[in-house]
Amino acid sequence: GENVEQHPSTLSVQEGDSAVIKCTYSDSASNYFPWYKQELGKGPQLIIDIRSNVGEKKDQRIAVTLNKTAKHFSLHITETQPEDSAVYFCAAGSSGGYQKVTFGTGTKLQVIP
Amino acid sequence: DTEVTQTPKHLVMGMTNKKSLKCEQHMGHRAMYWYKQKAKKPPELMFVYSYEKLSINESVPSRFSPECPNSSLLNLHLHALQPEDSALYLCASSQGTGGDYEQYFGPGTRLTVT
Repeated sequence: GENVEQHPSTLSVQEGDSAVIKCTYSDSASNYFPWYKQELGKGPQLIIDIRSNVGEKKDQRIAVTLNKTAKHFSLHITETQPEDSAVYFCAAGSSGGYQKVTFGTGTKLQVIP
Repeated sequence: DTEVTQTPKHLVMGMTNKKSLKCEQHMGHRAMYWYKQKAKKPPELMFVYSYEKLSINESVPSRFSPECPNSSLLNLHLHALQPEDSALYLCASSQGTGGDYEQYFGPGTRLTVT
């Protein structure tokens, strides 16, 4: 089955700096890569996703890049704000019929004001 | 409305109790999911319902019993749980049934087994 590794496990940045979280996956059949943000006491919320026919996607301060050859994808947050503090999970899924996504182990991001 | 609701928010139960968790979505989604999440861990898939039929059971112990009464509702019946079953139980739904559909998560039920 799919295996998703995520690094770092914790990340502290100063407000206004950028944050980068990296994930690698093992199954070349995976073609959908969502990123979820989970705030304390809440369920995960999708913040951005990318499919394997696209190399990069951007939404305001958030961007995701995908390298299919190397099987890794990254989340970039620019101009970080205290409200970006949360746990972020990457995940990988496939349209090949298996109805699940495999989550990474999570990154706790702390933005220091 | 892109909301998945879950009740109750918190639940404390003894090992001999029977209780149920409820989940509801009105987005017309055809797939619904139960996840278990322990502290500082990612969500762990338990069950998937596709078009109201159970399609995936990730080898979950029989003390957890899912039910999908209709396309909008998902229940998780709990019986004879163990203290190690204490966790956040998350419900999610998605428009389609493949692994490439966005999943919408509810806020979860915080379960404590005493």
